[in-house]
Amino acid sequence: DVKVTQSSRYLVKRTGEKVFLECVQDMDHENMFWYRQDPGLGLRLIYFSYDVKMKEKGDIPEGYSVSREKKERFSLILESASTNQTSMYLCASKLQGTGANVLTFGAGSRLTVL
Amino acid sequence: QKEVEQNSGPLSVPEGAIASLNCTYSDRVSQSFFWYRQYSGKSPELIMSIYSNGDKEDGRFTAQLNKASQYVSLLIRDSQPSDSATYLCAGQGDDYKLSFGAGTTVTVRA
Repeated sequence: DVKVTQSSRYLVKRTGEKVFLECVQDMDHENMFWYRQDPGLGLRLIYFSYDVKMKEKGDIPEGYSVSREKKERFSLILESASTNQTSMYLCASKLQGTGANVLTFGAGSRLTVL
Repeated sequence: QKEVEQNSGPLSVPEGAIASLNCTYSDRVSQSFFWYRQYSGKSPELIMSIYSNGDKEDGRFTAQLNKASQYVSLLIRDSQPSDSATYLCAGQGDDYKLSFGAGTTVTVRA
């Protein structure tokens, strides 16, 4: 029973291309997150969203933007891909509130920028 | 200072031994703590959460939190080859964000 779905597992793009990474959750979660994971650096938060049309910068937002037009969908956009954005991208969601802290992750999208 | 610092390992233990993983944190993430396990090529999954000082046990796993010293640890007793994975420590502050450590890769030798 897949709960957080990332549309692309593997992508190869060229420098300067616009890249869309899509994430959909079916758990009616308010909060959604985009992380990137790199060896030795762990998971770093790019952007997160408390609710529809709301977004907040995480720790490394430069070069990225996001869109949340519907509650179940949170998209990560790379306006002009660069080689240093080659990484594994993980989407996650959780219920609202500090009492509900369990993140459910998608399977990840491995992006290679040439 | 990073919000969550984790001894990156790697850690190799024989089957049946205790694996001990440690994590320190800053004042910004002092509310709740979590241990996630990530198998190679898979996404992280929550294995333990701990909110108050002391120990919390769940099967072969024990999480320990010491707020005075700002560290949280995970012990895996009777380690099995299936425990071989990367373990991620995470902390949450007053906002909704989780901050993760770099992870510790554990290998259990049969």
